[in-house]
Amino acid sequence: RKEVEQDPGPFNVPEGATVAFNCTYSNSASQSFFWYRQDCRKEPKLLMSVYSSGNEDGRFTAQLNRASQYISLLIRDSKLSDSATYLCVVNRELIFGQGTELSVKP
Amino acid sequence: DTAVSQTPKYLVTQMGNDKSIKCEQNLGHDTMYWYKQDSKKFLKIMFSYNNKELIINETVPNRFSPKSPDKAHLNLHINSLELGDSAVYFCASSPRPSTSGNTIYFGEGSWLTVV
Repeated sequence: RKEVEQDPGPFNVPEGATVAFNCTYSNSASQSFFWYRQDCRKEPKLLMSVYSSGNEDGRFTAQLNRASQYISLLIRDSKLSDSATYLCVVNRELIFGQGTELSVKP
Repeated sequence: DTAVSQTPKYLVTQMGNDKSIKCEQNLGHDTMYWYKQDSKKFLKIMFSYNNKELIINETVPNRFSPKSPDKAHLNLHINSLELGDSAVYFCASSPRPSTSGNTIYFGEGSWLTVV
């Protein structure tokens, strides 16, 4: 089992839709979790950290489920500009998942 | 001002050549990294330096040699380039070594193509 796994997608959704991604991790001792966003042919950029109690930033909500060892990212009211690849990052060594591609269509 | 800058952005070279990619950060961070992103988009850490000291050295061929002359610079030298080395190489930095809540800042990437 890979250390960090994501559904690569692509997820094709209409504008205004709600979409959710999961990311599973294998190391139960993992302590730190993040979501990064990577636009086509660009560098990854931090979207948000994931806290144990869950956290929200505008239309984005991140959750952590330690029992099942996954983190999730929920995007509400999708915009065209949300089209990108979303990478989950786990643990101190900043282990990246392979990313989930999101395409928001008009 | 670019926070993490790496050069060159694009590099096309022949098999067997030796090449270097340079990276500089002006954020005052202690820790720098090299990541490789292959054609399948996997982003894998290669090396990490903290205050010029190597702290992460993943399993990469010894043809890859990082060098950190000071904490603001981390260069990557690659000997005897192979076709499989074609990838995007990202330099990155963070305030401290990877700890909870530590944000990592990436350079724009260096697109290496070996022909």
